[in-house]
Amino acid sequence: DGGITQSPKYLFRKEGQNVTLSCEQNLNHDAMYWYRQDPGQGLRLIYYSQIVNDFQKGDIAEGYSVSREKKESFPLTVTSAQKNPTAFYLCASTQRWGSGELFFGEGSRLTVL
Amino acid sequence: DAKTTQPPSMDCAEGRAANLPCNHSTISGNEYVYWYRQIHSQGPQYIIHGLKNNETNEMASLIITEDRKSSTLILPHATLRDTAVYYCIVYNTNAGKSTFGDGTTLTVKP
Repeated sequence: DGGITQSPKYLFRKEGQNVTLSCEQNLNHDAMYWYRQDPGQGLRLIYYSQIVNDFQKGDIAEGYSVSREKKESFPLTVTSAQKNPTAFYLCASTQRWGSGELFFGEGSRLTVL
Repeated sequence: DAKTTQPPSMDCAEGRAANLPCNHSTISGNEYVYWYRQIHSQGPQYIIHGLKNNETNEMASLIITEDRKSSTLILPHATLRDTAVYYCIVYNTNAGKSTFGDGTTLTVKP
């Protein structure tokens, strides 16, 4: 079945360590997105990529980095510069840029100790 | 991006219709209304979207007012599995980004 796979589902890290969250899609979608969700709140956009080899900062990009070397992959690195990294991270894709229907993965929950 | 306003929580009896309102008074002519829902600790799921006409699919109906300043998502026969957070989003195809608010927590009760 086509979809978005995020890994790991749960991740614990010590303060000051960089961590990379994986996002893979087999939907052949052009655009991909990373959102952050804090308890009881909506989703906030971290980074997005309209097409392979391109990405743009979203509303809360500080302390994060991404790459888009392959169409199907859009990994997110949470760096030590991110002040409050503990959160639920969601990856999503759309068929093309300008298509509004987002397809989401199941999320990765990062806890920094 | 146009901002949306939703009530923070609502209850509904199982088997009854759930009507979830959304205010988007600053919506522009080329912006769509999208609805998603998120069951606890899962990724949001697309429900339905519309521009100005009412829409219906197997999950729900979307009623958009004539002035497009508000809309209502209708779940015709709510079940316990419909308990979730429901997000109303205004989507601009040029901007290509969806901005999520805090949504409405719908609790379906037996």
